[in-house]
Amino acid sequence: DQQVKQNSPSLSVQEGRISILNCDYTNSMFDYFLWYKKYPAEGPTFLISISSIKDKNEDGRFTVFLNKSAKHLSLHIVPSQPGDSAVYFCAARAYNFNKFYFGSGTKLNVKP
Amino acid sequence: DSGVTQTPKHLITATGQRVTLRCSPRSGDLSVYWYQQSLDQGLQFLIQYYNGEERAKGNILERFSAQQFPDLHSELNLSSLELGDSALYFCASSVGLAGPSSTDTQYFGPGTRLTVL
Repeated sequence: DQQVKQNSPSLSVQEGRISILNCDYTNSMFDYFLWYKKYPAEGPTFLISISSIKDKNEDGRFTVFLNKSAKHLSLHIVPSQPGDSAVYFCAARAYNFNKFYFGSGTKLNVKP
Repeated sequence: DSGVTQTPKHLITATGQRVTLRCSPRSGDLSVYWYQQSLDQGLQFLIQYYNGEERAKGNILERFSAQQFPDLHSELNLSSLELGDSALYFCASSVGLAGPSSTDTQYFGPGTRLTVL
């Protein structure tokens, strides 16, 4: 049962443009959402998070948007840089279940 | 460097064998999580320990078990290995339990790549 879905396995963007990565979830009990970046042969690295009481959180070039009614979150990277090329995972937590659920990842390629 | 260490980095073994993967959490973190990532798949949550006690279970097979020791390091034991167990196994740690107002973040180790031949 895939409770967190990333329907785009890959995304290609030109350097300097905006990258938008999407994530959908099904469990209305999720209260905390995170994005991780993963380079080959490394573990995922925490990028940015958002609590369900907010609809936007910004950290430098990275902004996460949460639309609770649509059960949708997105990660915006502006401007995109070649070093951003990696696999991005979204994750969600249901505090009462004390578990984190991860999407299958989106591979971002930022072309110079 | 996340501060989470995992050993070994690579492990090659045969079907039917048993292996142990080790994880040392970041200093001060009490929670340890184990995940499995098979080829082209997302991260599948296996199990979580908090301060030595099992707190949450995911899609962990009965052939797999884990424990967290008093010094907070954790081991994941995989037995009667099958070809399908070949995967990357990640350990993550966080400060504490996920509570209603918690914004606890997990930090991941570099992973152990298990190959079952």
